[in-house]
Amino acid sequence: DAGVIQSPRHEVTEMGQEVTLRCKPISGHDYLFWYRQTMMRGLELLIYFNNNVPIDDSGMPEDRFSAKMPNASFSTLKIQPSEPRDSAVYFCASTSDRILSGANVLTFGAGSRLTVL
Amino acid sequence: RKEVEQDPGPFNVPEGATVAFNCTYSNSASQSFFWYRQDCRKEPKLLMSVYSSGNEDGRFTAQLNRASQYISLLIRDSKLSDSATYLCVVNNFGNEKLTFGTGTRLTIIP
Repeated sequence: DAGVIQSPRHEVTEMGQEVTLRCKPISGHDYLFWYRQTMMRGLELLIYFNNNVPIDDSGMPEDRFSAKMPNASFSTLKIQPSEPRDSAVYFCASTSDRILSGANVLTFGAGSRLTVL
Repeated sequence: RKEVEQDPGPFNVPEGATVAFNCTYSNSASQSFFWYRQDCRKEPKLLMSVYSSGNEDGRFTAQLNRASQYISLLIRDSKLSDSATYLCVVNNFGNEKLTFGTGTRLTIIP
């Protein structure tokens, strides 16, 4: 299995530009999570999907952020317009197990490192 | 108060030594607990789940104290390859959200 695949791995953009991050979860995984990691705040959950449906987006910082999952094998996280404070590593993760089972393993992608100048 | 708190370190420990980390969580309803490991500039990976009775995996021992709301991780006979950031993770009953601590950075010194 190729694991969770994220693109781009690195993106440098200027303030005000639109940024689109992409994620392909592991086949058969029906939960998909988007996290953001910074030195100051650590890993923060932005949004998660179950069977392509957004379940909880309370972590999305503001309206500039949006996420979609049009099918079971693809999700996007969009920032428009981007700001310097959005600079972070954005991770996508997937799992097939309910976390409540206690046996859950979240598999993370390699991350997308975003720098907004 | 943060939902999950960890000592950020860094912990600089000589090879072969034993090292322990603690993590506290604020929500008494938390049901599932984990330790994840993150190498520099890499993604987090599950190290081990933490069970109520405590559990061991080779040189690693995890303990849970529900009364005091803390989780611990003990690493015995530390190796250079143990150098990483260790993330404490909890899940609250009723949802699928995992809350991560900011991590404890460990460096094993030859």
